[in-house]
Order: sequence, then structure tokens, then C-alpha cells
Amino acid sequence: DTEVTQTPKHLVMGMTNKKSLKCEQHMGHRAMYWYKQKAKKPPELMFVYSYEKLSINESVPSRFSPECPNSSLLNLHLHALQPEDSALYLCASSQGPWETQYFGPGTRLLVL
Amino acid sequence: AQSVAQPEDQVNVAEGNPLTVKCTYSVSGNPYLFWYVQYPNRGLQFLLKYITGDNLVKGSYGFEAEFNKSQTSFHLKKPSALVSDSALYFCAVRDFSGNMLTFGGGTRLMVKP
Repeated sequence: DTEVTQTPKHLVMGMTNKKSLKCEQHMGHRAMYWYKQKAKKPPELMFVYSYEKLSINESVPSRFSPECPNSSLLNLHLHALQPEDSALYLCASSQGPWETQYFGPGTRLLVL
Repeated sequence: AQSVAQPEDQVNVAEGNPLTVKCTYSVSGNPYLFWYVQYPNRGLQFLLKYITGDNLVKGSYGFEAEFNKSQTSFHLKKPSALVSDSALYFCAVRDFSGNMLTFGGGTRLMVKP
């Protein structure tokens, strides 16, 4: 089973809203990732959690706040986003850091 | 720094014909190479990877890729294309020390009936 699930599938939010994206995997993977993908572009790495600790933050604005409550869950808290933050947000997981990454279906976010 | 180049934005092929999607890379040391496919409004699906060993790697859905160290290439191939193979394909690389995964710009594959 190589399934990574993400909720919600779609999200529309205003610039003053607070929302959260959720990612879950039950493969026993110990590394989890958040990527941002604009249309027709490759994914851009945002955050990496390794063994539930934040190991990489690719200079992401503070309006994006990741959280890893346990080894199976990864959240991305959103606050005061800008329209240019509209994108597909992908979660991925891997057995260990930088092993083969398996991606979820993504959350398509629209910021109005 | 590591990098990946996918020189073709789009590849067009007729159904039943062989297909090739090109990828070249630059990395210090031995590379770990990956191919992913993305269907519209979906996440990336892992197709195959090269770590070490046989230069011809077989993956999902009949795809294979050939690692060529001298040409620093890792082209994706399939002997007979299907219309359902139409999607966006990404090549990615990381080095042995475990640095971040670097993606190429993507190649859109269009298979016409």
C-alpha cells in the first residue's frame, strides 16, 4: 500500500481566513514533505519532516505553518494568504529522508 | 548543485509507436534518479528509479528508463504508447549524500489515436 491521503481536495479561502490542510499515511514512513505546485510547473519543496522533526524549511513565508502531530500525520496551517499562494499543495512521504517519495493527490487551493 | 533538464516541453507520438521522454542530469557523485507521472488535477505517481546496478530499469505500466553515465542521461521509454499515457512526466535526481530531490521542468506527453 503506497497511499498518501490529503484533505480537503479543494479549498477556497479569503485572505483573512485561517484554514488547515491535512495529510496522512499509514505506511510507516518516517519522512514527510510539503510541496507547492503551480500549473504546468514542477513541485517546489516547502518543508521536510524527518522523524517528526522539522528538518528543512525552504524559506517559506510564515503565513504557512507546518505541524507534525505524529509519524502518520502532517498538517499545513494557513493564515493571511495572498492570491499568489493559489496552487496545488502536495504532500509526500518516504521510508526515510530522501528515499522514494510517494505523493498524495494534492489539495487545490484558491485564495480570493 | 544538482540539476535536471528535460529539453522537450512536449512530446507527440501516435498510439502504438514507441515513445521516449528525455532527461539529463548534473550531480556530484553517484545519482539517484526518478521518474514520476502526473495526470490532470492529480498528485505525482512514482514510475521507476535508478539507484545502482543494471542500466535498464523497468517500472510501472510498461515504462522503462535507461541510465547512461557517460551522457548523464536517464531517458524514459515505452515500446508501444497508449492514449492513456498522455500526462505530464517529471524526471528527478538526488545525490548519494541525501540532498533534496530536484525536479526537471516536466514534459507533456501527448499520445494521439
